[in-house]
Amino acid sequence: QKEVEQNSGPLSVPEGAIASLNCTYSDRGSQSFFWYRQYSGKSPELIMFIYSNGDKEDGRFTAQLNKASQYVSLLIRDSQPSDSATYLCAVNMRGTASKLTFGTGTRLQVTL
Amino acid sequence: GAVVSQHPSWVICKSGTSVKIECRSLDFQATTMFWYRQFPKQSLMLMATSNEGSKATYEQGVEKDKFLINHASLTLSTLTVTSAHPEDSSFYICSAGTGRTSYNEQFFGPGTRLTVL
Repeated sequence: QKEVEQNSGPLSVPEGAIASLNCTYSDRGSQSFFWYRQYSGKSPELIMFIYSNGDKEDGRFTAQLNKASQYVSLLIRDSQPSDSATYLCAVNMRGTASKLTFGTGTRLQVTL
Repeated sequence: GAVVSQHPSWVICKSGTSVKIECRSLDFQATTMFWYRQFPKQSLMLMATSNEGSKATYEQGVEKDKFLINHASLTLSTLTVTSAHPEDSSFYICSAGTGRTSYNEQFFGPGTRLTVL
């Protein structure tokens, strides 16, 4: 079992719709969870992070964390073509100091 | 805040030469920086954790004598790829944490694309 798992996609959503990106992780003691966006040929950009169960909203983005189910998700409301990118889930696992473990990413395509 | 720069943004070199990549935190001090490598259509692979004033910690399978890391100050870490070969061609990205929160978020530099001929 991979430590951080994501569906590779592509996930295709029409412009204006809600995109839902999911991530599961193996270490129940993981402490903080991150979503990064990576455009092709560019480096990752931090969108948001979450550390408590529940929802955290920032503009069009909402991160959801369920530690009991070891599941974290990212919702993108009113998806735009500029949101088309690969979304990486990263987890700070217990006992790894400040290291992040990354999933392989989900490619999102927002269609016109 | 939380800006990380890398230099150069791209480099082409001949096989057998060494290449140095610099990573700087511009508006904060970073006691820890990370070096990643990413091959086309693959995810990030952590190579090493760079700690200011001490030796880097390398991930399993990464040759420390080939990938030399120096973290000489709180704002600068360097990665030197020694005796580069075509299989070292990749996208090298550094990241740093600001330490402003306890949640270990990392901010990435723009990356350096290395091509070894």
